[in-house]
Amino acid sequence: DGGITQSPKYLFRKEGQNVTLSCEQNLNHDAMYWYRQDPGQGLRLIYYSQIVNDFQKGDIAEGYSVSREKKESFPLTVTSAQKNPTAFYLCASSIPPGQGWDGYTFGSGTRLTVV
Amino acid sequence: ELKVEQNPLFLSMQEGKNYTIYCNYSTTSDRLYWYRQDPGKSLESLFVLLSNGAVKQEGRLMASLDTKARLSTLHITAAVHDLSATYFCAVDMNFGNEKLTFGTGTRLTIIP
Repeated sequence: DGGITQSPKYLFRKEGQNVTLSCEQNLNHDAMYWYRQDPGQGLRLIYYSQIVNDFQKGDIAEGYSVSREKKESFPLTVTSAQKNPTAFYLCASSIPPGQGWDGYTFGSGTRLTVV
Repeated sequence: ELKVEQNPLFLSMQEGKNYTIYCNYSTTSDRLYWYRQDPGKSLESLFVLLSNGAVKQEGRLMASLDTKARLSTLHITAAVHDLSATYFCAVDMNFGNEKLTFGTGTRLTIIP
């Protein structure tokens, strides 16, 4: 079955450490997105990519970095510059506009905790 | 800047009652989405509304979109306990700017 796979499900980061969250999709979607969710709040956009080798900052990109070397993969690195990284991270993907648009597909999420 | 507001933020209902969650947004768009989230889980897509006047129903939930008023509603009919969850609406701009802006969510608790 097609879908989005996020790994790991739980991740613990020490102070000053960089960590990378994985997001892989086999839906043949062109666009991919990273969102952050803090407890009791909505989702905020970190980065998004509408095509391979291109990505744009979202609303809260500071302290994060991404790459999009393959269509299927959009990893997110949480750097030591992100001072409050504890949150739930969700990856999503979508097809190009105008091709039977039916919204976004979300992964199961990664819960990151600073220890 | 696109802003999306939901109300109420918290809603406690008795089983069998009807209620409506409201979603207002600030910028012209005719694409609105409703999601459900259970505690500790990802988002489940409920409805995708893509035009003014769109109405969709699934079980006890019905969603509608009024793009002129920039308003969507999620109506719950005869609530049952398993509808307890957090519900989010989200909006994106039209073609070429597909990135979602979320409301803050409505935490719905159904009391037996």
